[in-house]
Amino acid sequence: EAGVTQSPTHLIKTRGQQATLRCSPISGHTSVYWYQQALGLGLQFLLWYDEGEERNRGNFPPRFSGRQFPNYSSELNVNALELEDSALYLCASSNEQGRHGYTFGSGTRLTVV
Amino acid sequence: GNSVTQMEGPVTLSEEAFLTINCTYTATGYPSLFWYVQYPGEGLQLLLKATKADDKGSNKGFEATYRKETTSFHLEKGSVQVSDSAVYFCALMIYNQGGKLIFGQGTELSVKP
Repeated sequence: EAGVTQSPTHLIKTRGQQATLRCSPISGHTSVYWYQQALGLGLQFLLWYDEGEERNRGNFPPRFSGRQFPNYSSELNVNALELEDSALYLCASSNEQGRHGYTFGSGTRLTVV
Repeated sequence: GNSVTQMEGPVTLSEEAFLTINCTYTATGYPSLFWYVQYPGEGLQLLLKATKADDKGSNKGFEATYRKETTSFHLEKGSVQVSDSAVYFCALMIYNQGGKLIFGQGTELSVKP
């Protein structure tokens, strides 16, 4: 069974640009979660999508947005990139709304220069 | 609010030593508890979980018991190996409270031969 896949693995953008990160969940999982892991800040919850709808959002500005497609894959968009957005972005998927834990992907390393 | 506190790292042990990583939590509801592991350059992997008080999660020689009376979920392993070197995250989730995992700050473990 394929795990959670994220693309691209690495992404380098200039301040002010937009970044798009993609995530494919495990087959059968309807929920997708996005987390930011910035150096020294631990894992911060960004967004939760379930059945195509945004269910919850962390304490991030509106320039962080995303969507979930009918096949349950998801993308995270970050507009007007700032240097502080440099981080590892992790996607996870689950069924039953995460009751038994999530399965994480390997992440996208975003570097803003 | 809900939160997770882990012992600070880094923790350095010799191979075959006994490992304990302390984790305590604060929760307004009835959380499920998890330990995740992050190997260098990778995403997070679910190590073990417990969904109710007195449950013991175990995997790959690691164990943790959900102690409601002490609000703790300490990770233990009787004999660590060099390959256990990684960052370990304790986390909680309360079902029907927004779907997000709340993570501790992570504890880096380094095992020397």
